Amino acid sequence: GAGVSQSPSNKVTEKGKDVELRCDPISGHTALYWYRQSLGQGLEFLIYFQGNSAPDKSGLPSDRFSAERTGGSVSTLTIQRTQQEDSAVYLCASSLAQQGGNTEAFFGQGTRLTVV
Amino acid sequence: SQQGEEDPQALSIQEGENATMNCSYKTSINNLQWYRQNSGRGLVHLILIRSNEREKHSGRLRVTLDTSKKSSSLLITASRAADTASYFCATDKEDSSYKLIFGSGTRLLVRP
Repeated sequence: GAGVSQSPSNKVTEKGKDVELRCDPISGHTALYWYRQSLGQGLEFLIYFQGNSAPDKSGLPSDRFSAERTGGSVSTLTIQRTQQEDSAVYLCASSLAQQGGNTEAFFGQGTRLTVV
Repeated sequence: SQQGEEDPQALSIQEGENATMNCSYKTSINNLQWYRQNSGRGLVHLILIRSNEREKHSGRLRVTLDTSKKSSSLLITASRAADTASYFCATDKEDSSYKLIFGSGTRLLVRP
């Protein structure tokens, strides 16, 4: 597709279950970002990938959160043993990272996660 | 902690007026970007200004950057009801990484 695609669009899960969120970036974009946004708040940085490697995982809230990226393309964010405070919109973005700094980031429409 | 902080947190103006939002950041940067978000979902890129630029225009948007003060402003001229949205600044540090950090955002309401 032409844009960043995230799935599912909405996810309701029971507390304690694991969830997987998927992001398909724009083809050729080397940088991929995950953010979390609670209602009415700013974007909380979680992790970013340069190719398949994640130089900075400092934003992951706890060891229940993990992410991977394969083939320099699709990324999966996994939350284990979900808690109610994990409820938020999870946003993915991709960009052409190049020497001299970042370029425009393109966002997916997000996954709204609700933990009940 | 957030790299960028916007102010005001919320702004309400009449259609036709200008809206000014400010962003402050903490470290040296490669560039600064402004994004818009409608309805709490995906963000849309508005404009990018590099650290060696001081001002940039795009349609009704004007962005300034003052690296000595580590601050930027976004001016929307002749605002329209359709400009109602949240606006965020984003920076990437001057450390060869591509980590893109967003500010807390300004919620703009343009009254018809």
